[in-house]
Amino acid sequence: GAVVSQHPSWVICKSGTSVKIECRSLDFQATTMFWYRQFPKQSLMLMATSNEGSKATYEQGVEKDKFLINHASLTLSTLTVTSAHPEDSSFYICSARDGRFYVGTQYFGPGTRLTVL
Amino acid sequence: DAKTTQPNSMESNEEEPVHLPCNHSTISGTDYIHWYRQLPSQGPEYVIHGLTSNVNNRMASLAIAEDRKSSTLILHRATLRDAAVYYCILRDKVGGATNKLIFGTGTLLAVQP
Repeated sequence: GAVVSQHPSWVICKSGTSVKIECRSLDFQATTMFWYRQFPKQSLMLMATSNEGSKATYEQGVEKDKFLINHASLTLSTLTVTSAHPEDSSFYICSARDGRFYVGTQYFGPGTRLTVL
Repeated sequence: DAKTTQPNSMESNEEEPVHLPCNHSTISGTDYIHWYRQLPSQGPEYVIHGLTSNVNNRMASLAIAEDRKSSTLILHRATLRDAAVYYCILRDKVGGATNKLIFGTGTLLAVQP
């Protein structure tokens, strides 16, 4: 199946700093990418949907100024957590869909574990 | 989005079949049934999806009730590597690629040796 990569796989940062997470589709063009967040022992929560070349659509309750999403190309989307605080510590997972198919299978990255001290 | 209901947890013995149920009584005619699974500390992995007919692939089989109000994911011979959280998700085919996958709580499958 298709491969989605994320970088870094884990990151530890100090409170108040910004962290960028990259998501790449390695062997297909991802017209749509999704960002999820998962807290321990909870399910995935969708944060935002991004389409290449346009602004991301954020789910209710997700601060767009805090979680900056850029989908500049068909293979790359980035999530920047600005002014991170300990409550932002979580497992962030990106997902990409091959837009060529009407009911495209959605592929997920391996996740990035963010720890804010 | 129509919701799904799954048991919180199930247990199975290694090399035995596993039937994971999912209820979706409010499913619409254009909703596809998707199954994903998530191993510990990993991103979800696609398992299978279907619309009306039963589906088979190398990982599993999907049995869909005639009224489409329920479905069952079948793992033919469970292995220890199948221990994961299994999510049953509905996604409307209308709207194309931007339609979202909304995860519920899923079923935690434990496989005993």
